[in-house]
Amino acid sequence: DGGITQSPKYLFRKEGQNVTLSCEQNLNHDAMYWYRQDPGQGLRLIYYSQIVNDFQKGDIAEGYSVSREKKESFPLTVTSAQKNPTAFYLCASRLDRAGNEKLFFGSGTQLSVL
Amino acid sequence: ILNVEQSPQSLHVQEGDSTNFTCSFPSSNFYALHWYRWETAKSPEALFVMTLNGDEKKKGRISATLNTKEGYSYLYIKGSQPEDSATYLCAFRPRDDKIIFGKGTRLHILP
Repeated sequence: DGGITQSPKYLFRKEGQNVTLSCEQNLNHDAMYWYRQDPGQGLRLIYYSQIVNDFQKGDIAEGYSVSREKKESFPLTVTSAQKNPTAFYLCASRLDRAGNEKLFFGSGTQLSVL
Repeated sequence: ILNVEQSPQSLHVQEGDSTNFTCSFPSSNFYALHWYRWETAKSPEALFVMTLNGDEKKKGRISATLNTKEGYSYLYIKGSQPEDSATYLCAFRPRDDKIIFGKGTRLHILP
């Protein structure tokens, strides 16, 4: 089955620790996105990538880092510099083709701080 | 930071009634406007992607309109059913690849 896989479903971070959230897609999609959801805040854009080895900051990139070494993979690292990391994180991808560019989402990772 | 506003924030509608809600977005540098439905314990799913001013799209009892000159889109649901209960998200895409979401309209259908 084609789709987007996020792992783990739940993740706990200790103070001062970096953690990495995985996002893999087998849809052959070009662009990939990371969003964060907090209660009452909607989805806020962290980072996005249009092609391999290139990515851009979204509205709330501070304290996060990403890489796009392969088309299928777009991992998100939550660094110790992110002071309020507790949130629900969603990864999404889409084709870069006019008229067929809706986002497909993974099932999300809930990150909590111990 | 691009601002995408949705209203109302929450809505209670009697089963069988029709309803609509609004998404406002910047009218400059427009490329596309997306609508998604997000049901509890599931991932958001796309309803529509609209790119042309005056566009109208329909999927069953749900339809959407787009006005890019004034920067708004309406989503309509005709004859609401319990399965329509969800959060409806709109997202604005300018000419770069950013896709910016509003905070959503949470729809509750009352039996």
